[in-house]
Parts: sequence; structure tokens; C-alpha cells
Amino acid sequence: AQRVTQPEKLLSVFKGAPVELKCNYSYSGSPELFWYVQYSRQRLQLLLRHISRESIKGFTADLNKGETSFHLKKPFAQEEDSAMYYCALTGGSNYKLTFGKGTLLTVNP
Amino acid sequence: NAGVTQTPKFRILKIGQSMTLQCTQDMNHNYMYWYRQDPGMGLKLIYYSVGAGITDKGEVPNGYNVSRSTTEDFPLRLELAAPSQTSVYFCASRQGDNEQFFGPGTRLTVL
Repeated sequence: AQRVTQPEKLLSVFKGAPVELKCNYSYSGSPELFWYVQYSRQRLQLLLRHISRESIKGFTADLNKGETSFHLKKPFAQEEDSAMYYCALTGGSNYKLTFGKGTLLTVNP
Repeated sequence: NAGVTQTPKFRILKIGQSMTLQCTQDMNHNYMYWYRQDPGMGLKLIYYSVGAGITDKGEVPNGYNVSRSTTEDFPLRLELAAPSQTSVYFCASRQGDNEQFFGPGTRLTVL
């Protein structure tokens, strides 16, 4: 069975501080990992996928297969980063996403 | 392109009533999905479809039904609404292994 664990429900940092949102997964094959973001009263949107190895809005995430982790990082948090962040994985041919429970990030001024 | 659209945005149902949540995408995507989002629980897959005429159960299908008569539309049916179905429902679509796009959501309350 595939599972995604986000250990922090809430994370609060000050503007300009580094932020790391943790994500661990379990999957028997080779999964594809994603980070989705949901700003207040908006739809979910893709932030990062591990195969693209991009940096979006200053965020990066590295897939660590040894630790089965895909933590999301940003060196200097901004107030507009305040949102709900979901880690998700997909494996298999139907591209079904399994989501973690989400982490609500609040960036204080 | 409008992307993925959902109607209604909000709805209040009484226990035992039925309703259909509409989802339409104009991107000609073959895969479509229905999720429910509950506070502190993330998103859970209800049903999905790999193409017109093909649907399959997700993680939490009980109490719901779907159909996919066209590529564009993927309605979700609640036959006998229960308080446990109070949630925010998201429809999504994707083409192959490309990005999955989400609709704006339908907030449903069952009283």
C-alpha cells in the first residue's frame, strides 16, 4: 500500500526565516512525488514534481530514496507563502494521487 | 480554456436527499478524478476514470456513484446524503503523466 506522511499539521515561521516542510512516503515501487499548494479559498495547484527538478517560487524538494523523503524547502520564507501544502505520490498506470494530510504554513511578518 | 469547472460551489442537503456534483474539463484529458477533502485528513480519492465509459473505485467510494459518458464530463452522484458526506469535493483531470489540474471545489453540508 502507498502512504504519505506529513508529520506537522501546523508550521509557523517568521518572514525571512528558512522553512522546511517534511514529507515521508512508503511505496513498493518507484513513485513519483509532488508538492501541491492551496492558498486560502483557492483550488489546489501543483508546486513541484520531483522529476522536473525545478525551483518554483524559491521552493525546492529533493527525493531521498534512502530515507523515503521528499521534504520541501525554502531559504527565506515570504508572507505570501502562507498556505496549505500537500505532499502526494503516484505510482502505477492510472496516475492516482495519494495525498498526505497537509501542513498549514503560516509566515508571520 | 476554462480548465476544470465544478458546480455548484456550495450546497446544503438534508439527510436522505440526493444530488449530483457536476465536473467538466475542456482540455480533452483522458483521466478524471473525484476527491473529498476533510479537515486534517488531506484528500482522499472517491472514484476515477481513465476514459469515457470507464470508471473505477478509489479509496472511499461508499455512498457515491459516477459515470463518464463523455470525455468532458464526470458527475458525482450522492443518492442518500449522510452527515458523514459533509466535505469539500474536488474534481481533477490530467492527460497521461502530465500535471493533474484541480477544479475550484464544491462545499457540501449535510444536515
